[in-house]
Amino acid sequence: EVQLVESGGGLVQPGGSLRLSCAASGFTFSSYEMNWVRQAPGKGLEWVSYISDSGTPMYHADSVKGRFTISRDNAKNSLYLQMNSLRAEDTAVYYCARNSEDGDNFDYWGQGTLVTVSS
Amino acid sequence: SYVLTQPPSVSEAPGKTARITCGGNNIGSKSVHWYQQKPGQAPVLLIYYDYDRPSGIPERFSGSNSGNTATLSINRVEAGDEADYYCQVWDDTSHHVVFGGGTKLTVL
Repeated sequence: EVQLVESGGGLVQPGGSLRLSCAASGFTFSSYEMNWVRQAPGKGLEWVSYISDSGTPMYHADSVKGRFTISRDNAKNSLYLQMNSLRAEDTAVYYCARNSEDGDNFDYWGQGTLVTVSS
Repeated sequence: SYVLTQPPSVSEAPGKTARITCGGNNIGSKSVHWYQQKPGQAPVLLIYYDYDRPSGIPERFSGSNSGNTATLSINRVEAGDEADYYCQVWDDTSHHVVFGGGTKLTVL
């Protein structure tokens, strides 16, 4: 059974940093492209970052470029999101999502981890 | 950057057909995917590549895509279909994933 379990969320002050993790199981992690998608309270889905199965290339949304970095450790079956210079508008539930084998849709999602940026 | 436009809300009576649109410039040339999200839950892939259904998704859900509009159709709407629905594409130009703003389906 495919499982994606996010962790690392919490309360952080504006300007602070946080590192999210996503533990993958039930599939060959190193064969799949991965993403982070976020959802602010009461708002819609916003794509954040993409990483290929090998680790490069990576792409980031304009709203987080230069502040967030996606990475992965295929040996540990884990996906990461390093978030720096956090702002109030980064407050959201962050989901990790797997690209399907055949393309650019997301066939499995984690349950999400909440990041709250507030003083 | 590429923009996808969805109506904020759609309402339909039980047993009828609900249609949710997703507008974008020449969206017919792109592959459109649809997700269903119920309150407090992660999104679920509903339709991929315009009209394909993952295993386990009822045939009541179907998709189409042409011109500047993609459409998700839900036949014989049920109370359990109340949810937010999102369309999504990959923008080759920006190398970005794009989501529509989402549509809340209310079953009357």
